[in-house]
Amino acid sequence: AQKITQTQPGMFVQEKEAVTLDCTYDTSDQSYGLFWYKQPSSGEMIFLIYQGSYDEQNATEGRYSLNFQKARKSANLVISASQLGDSAMYFCAMREGQAGTALIFGKGTTLSVSS
Amino acid sequence: DTGVSQDPRHKITKRGQNVTFRCDPISEHNRLYWYRQTLGQGPEFLTYFQNEAQLEKSRLLSDRFSAERPKGSFSTLEIQRTEQGDSAMYLCASSIFTDRETQYFGPGTRLLVL
Repeated sequence: AQKITQTQPGMFVQEKEAVTLDCTYDTSDQSYGLFWYKQPSSGEMIFLIYQGSYDEQNATEGRYSLNFQKARKSANLVISASQLGDSAMYFCAMREGQAGTALIFGKGTTLSVSS
Repeated sequence: DTGVSQDPRHKITKRGQNVTFRCDPISEHNRLYWYRQTLGQGPEFLTYFQNEAQLEKSRLLSDRFSAERPKGSFSTLEIQRTEQGDSAMYLCASSIFTDRETQYFGPGTRLLVL
C-alpha cells in the first residue's frame, strides 16, 4: 500500500481563488510529521508547511494552511488567494517516527493557476 | 543563509561512464540527504548522513552508487558504470536535528545517460 496518496494528478484554479490539494497517508506510528513542498519547473523543492502528529492546531504559513484530520489520516493543503506564481507541482510527504528518517513522498499534484 | 547548492545542475553522459555530483548543505546543518526523482514521480530516498557518518542507505542505492561526506560538510554522490535507467533528477537536502526537523532541498542535478 502506498504510504502517501495524492489522488489529483492536476488541478486548475483562477487567480485569487482558494484551492485544496488532497493528501492521505498511511502509518502505524504515533509520532510522525507531514510536509508539503512546491516544485516549480526549475526543479527545486521548496518547503511550504509542516504539521506534527501531536500538533493540536492546524498549521498555517501565510497563504498556506494544512487541514489536518488525524482520524481520517488526511493532510490537505489549502492555498488561499491563488497567484500565477503558484503554478507548480505540489508534493505531500511524511516522516515516520522520530526526526532523522527519510521523507516518503506522494506522486504529486500539478496546480495550474490562470488569470 | 545561502541555501543548499548542487553542482553540476545538468549532466549528460554516455552509458558506462562514471559521474560525480556535489552537494553543499546549509552551513549549520548536520544532516544531509540524497534523493532521486524520475519523471512524474515524487523523490525517493537514497541515503543520508549525520555529520560524516552515513547512517542509512536505501535498497535503491546499488553497489554502483557511493556517497561520501568526508568532513561533515559537503557531500558527493558517485555513480559508476552509468546505465540509462540512472537518468533522473538527483536532489540533495539538508537539515538540523530537531523534533520538527525540516529538510531543505537544493536545485538538483539532472542526469541524462545516453
